[in-house]
Amino acid sequence: AQSVTQLDSQVPVFEEAPVELRCNYSSSVSVYLFWYVQYPNQGLQLLLKYLSGSTLVESINGFEAEFNKSQTSFHLRKPSVHISDTAEYFCAVSVLSGTYKYIFGTGTRLKVLA
Amino acid sequence: KAGVTQTPRYLIKTRGQQVTLSCSPISGHRSVSWYQQTPGQGLQFLFEYFSETQRNKGNFPGRFSGRQFSNSRSEMNVSTLELGDSALYLCASSLEGPNNEQFFGPGTRLTVL
Repeated sequence: AQSVTQLDSQVPVFEEAPVELRCNYSSSVSVYLFWYVQYPNQGLQLLLKYLSGSTLVESINGFEAEFNKSQTSFHLRKPSVHISDTAEYFCAVSVLSGTYKYIFGTGTRLKVLA
Repeated sequence: KAGVTQTPRYLIKTRGQQVTLSCSPISGHRSVSWYQQTPGQGLQFLFEYFSETQRNKGNFPGRFSGRQFSNSRSEMNVSTLELGDSALYLCASSLEGPNNEQFFGPGTRLTVL
């Protein structure tokens, strides 16, 4: 069965420090990979996605994620975080299994400290 | 293009009652999914509808049901409410195909007293 694991439920980090949010998935078939962000009192919104091609994908606000097929990982990184990055981040995979299924991880709460 | 809308935004019910939540997807999106989000359990998949048919279902009791109309609008219903049903219910719509992102609404905050 397919699954998504986000190893860290909470990550505190000081402003302007780098951060990595980890995501591992389990699937025997090809997947598409996504990171979503949820700001307080809002729904989720897409941050970035990997469909094919270059394994490194970037978002417009400085986040990047790298697809590593051998390690079945899709970790999210940012070299320097801002207070405004405080939010919950969800990793998700889309898997074609009969019909396709969207599977979310449990989320990582990023808290940026001044 | 208008985003995903959910109504109502907030609801307060008592145990034993039933509730209906509504979701209007982005125009042209035929897939609508529902999720329950709680602090303890995170984001849990309820079900997905496509062209008025339930295509995928999560592990929730039969008290949770849904439907989709011909205009792709969707409703979910929870009967015999329990305290543990208090949560943020999120609706998401997407185009057909596994490579498409899901667009989320702001959610309906349900409180069961």
